[in-house]
Amino acid sequence: DGGITQSPKYLFRKEGQNVTLSCEQNLNHDAMYWYRQDPGQGLRLIYYSQIVNDFQKGDIAEGYSVSREKKESFPLTVTSAQKNPTAFYLCASSVGTDPQPQHFGDGTRLSIL
Amino acid sequence: AQSVTQPDIHITVSEGASLELRCNYSYGATPYLFWYVQSPGQGLQLLLKYFSGDTLVQGIKGFEAEFKRSQSSFNLRKPSVHWSDAAEYFCAVGVRGNTGKLIFGQGTTLQVKP
Repeated sequence: DGGITQSPKYLFRKEGQNVTLSCEQNLNHDAMYWYRQDPGQGLRLIYYSQIVNDFQKGDIAEGYSVSREKKESFPLTVTSAQKNPTAFYLCASSVGTDPQPQHFGDGTRLSIL
Repeated sequence: AQSVTQPDIHITVSEGASLELRCNYSYGATPYLFWYVQSPGQGLQLLLKYFSGDTLVQGIKGFEAEFKRSQSSFNLRKPSVHWSDAAEYFCAVGVRGNTGKLIFGQGTTLQVKP
């Protein structure tokens, strides 16, 4: 079955450490997205990519970085500059760049040690 | 700027009772509207979408939503709630401009009493 796979499901970060969250899709979707979810704040967009080798900042990009070297993959790095990284991170994809339903992975929960 | 408001943070209904979750949007043109559901620790699942046409939209799991342009609303309804419907529900509006971006409301948590 096609879908989006996020790994790991749980991740712990030490102070000053960068960590990378994986997102892989086999839906042949062009666009991919990263969201951060905090209780009571809904989903906030971190980065999005409409095509390979191109990506744009979302509303809360500071302290995060991404790459899009392959259509299927859109990893997110949470850098040490992100001072409050504890959250639930969701990756999504959509067919194209017109407003379309986004398909979501099951998320990664990141916590600080 | 586009925005989505879900006025109710928590709603509790009895099993078998009807449900209505409210969603109001701010948008300058005809919006693309979505409702998603999220179970604890899971991703979001699309319930239904509105792009154009009939303003009453049917979705999965027995849900429906009605687009009311005059009220800038897109409320989600279900005639009879099941215990398995307990989850968090998100309304979203699609941003025009060839980005594919969605703006999400803050979510409504539904609790179902036996």
